[in-house]
Amino acid sequence: DQQVKQNSPSLSVQEGRISILNCDYTNSMFDYFLWYKKYPAEGPTFLISISSIKDKNEDGRFTVFLNKSAKHLSLHIVPSQPGDSAVYFCAASAVGNTDKLIFGTGTRLQVFP
Amino acid sequence: DAMVIQNPRYQVTQFGKPVTLSCSQTLNHNVMYWYQQKSSQAPKLLFHYYDKDFNNEADTPDNFQSRRPNTSFCFLDIRSPGLGDAAMYLCATSRDRARGHEQYFGPGTRLTVT
Repeated sequence: DQQVKQNSPSLSVQEGRISILNCDYTNSMFDYFLWYKKYPAEGPTFLISISSIKDKNEDGRFTVFLNKSAKHLSLHIVPSQPGDSAVYFCAASAVGNTDKLIFGTGTRLQVFP
Repeated sequence: DAMVIQNPRYQVTQFGKPVTLSCSQTLNHNVMYWYQQKSSQAPKLLFHYYDKDFNNEADTPDNFQSRRPNTSFCFLDIRSPGLGDAAMYLCATSRDRARGHEQYFGPGTRLTVT
């Protein structure tokens, strides 16, 4: 039973364009959401997060949007750069379980020149 | 640089032969986690330590054990590896439970079972 779903295993975007990575969740107890980025041969690294009390959080080229009614969040990367090519994992934690992250299966982003 | 280190990066073991994976951290974080990630699947939490307090996930097989002898080190022991235990094993840390969202991952150990 996958509580965090990333339905697109891969995404290919041209350099300079917007990359939009999507994530859906089923557990209404989730109150904190994160995106992690993973390069080959490295562990995932924290990228950006959002609390359920917000609907948007921005950090430079990265913006995360949260739609609680749809149980959907997205990561926007503008403009996309070749160095953004990586696997992106969506993760969530539930109220009272801040130290337990539930991950999605990841989306592989390729940014081409 | 402060970091999370996993050794070895690649481990091959035989079916049924006990194996130990190690993780060390220089971040002085209180919480350490072990995840299992199979190909094209999400990382799955096996267990975690808050300081010396061990927290096992309900669906973690008994075949998997862990030790944390001190703040810096944590070990994953697989007592009798099966073919289904072949996976990437990720160690992570966080400063404390309240900041458990921000986890710092090691590069992982890829386990092959022959």
